Amino acid sequence: GIQVEQSPPDLILQEGANSTLRCNFSDSVNNLQWFHQNPWGQLINLFYIPSGTKQNGRLSATTVATERYSLLYISSSQTTDSGVYFCAVVSGSRLTFGEGTQLTVNP
Amino acid sequence: GAGVSQSPRYKVAKRGQDVALRCDPISGHVSLFWYQQALGQGPEFLTYFQNEAQLDKSGLPSDRFFAERPEGSVSTLKIQRTQQEDSAVYLCASSSDVGAGYTFGSGTRLTVV
Repeated sequence: GIQVEQSPPDLILQEGANSTLRCNFSDSVNNLQWFHQNPWGQLINLFYIPSGTKQNGRLSATTVATERYSLLYISSSQTTDSGVYFCAVVSGSRLTFGEGTQLTVNP
Repeated sequence: GAGVSQSPRYKVAKRGQDVALRCDPISGHVSLFWYQQALGQGPEFLTYFQNEAQLDKSGLPSDRFFAERPEGSVSTLKIQRTQQEDSAVYLCASSSDVGAGYTFGSGTRLTVV
């Protein structure tokens, strides 16, 4: 099946710093989503992004489907950004997740 | 409803007990998915429904796991004779169409003791 790799696995930032999270995938996909899992376990959809670039406030994402990767940018990080960020790709009917990036933002 | 609703939020079961987990998807969403998330890992696919039809159950880890969606809306994931390795968060997601964005519920945290 399709492989999804995320990097880095862990990231610690000071409040106000910027960061880039990366997602590589092994095969062509129908679509790609970025999720934030908060400390209570809720998976929040951030972006649904098959290609191109989208922005939502301090967050933006870029997917280059032909090169099989996606990037999530977090600017001016806040403590509430802490949690696990998952990349998940849609192949057929199935959403396959990476292992996630654990982000900790310290005040 | 406005979101995907799952119940119960937490479930503690004694080993060998049967459990039933409920998912109420977003109204009108034809696709429904169940995922299992072990501690510290990403969610793993269990099964997929389109309306009432279970089109893919290849992720179910054993024949103790059974899912149904008889009227094409609410779904139930049943685990028979629970084992300790079944302890995980069970997530339900719905989508308006295959390949459209998925919306997840808050999950059911199952602990088998």
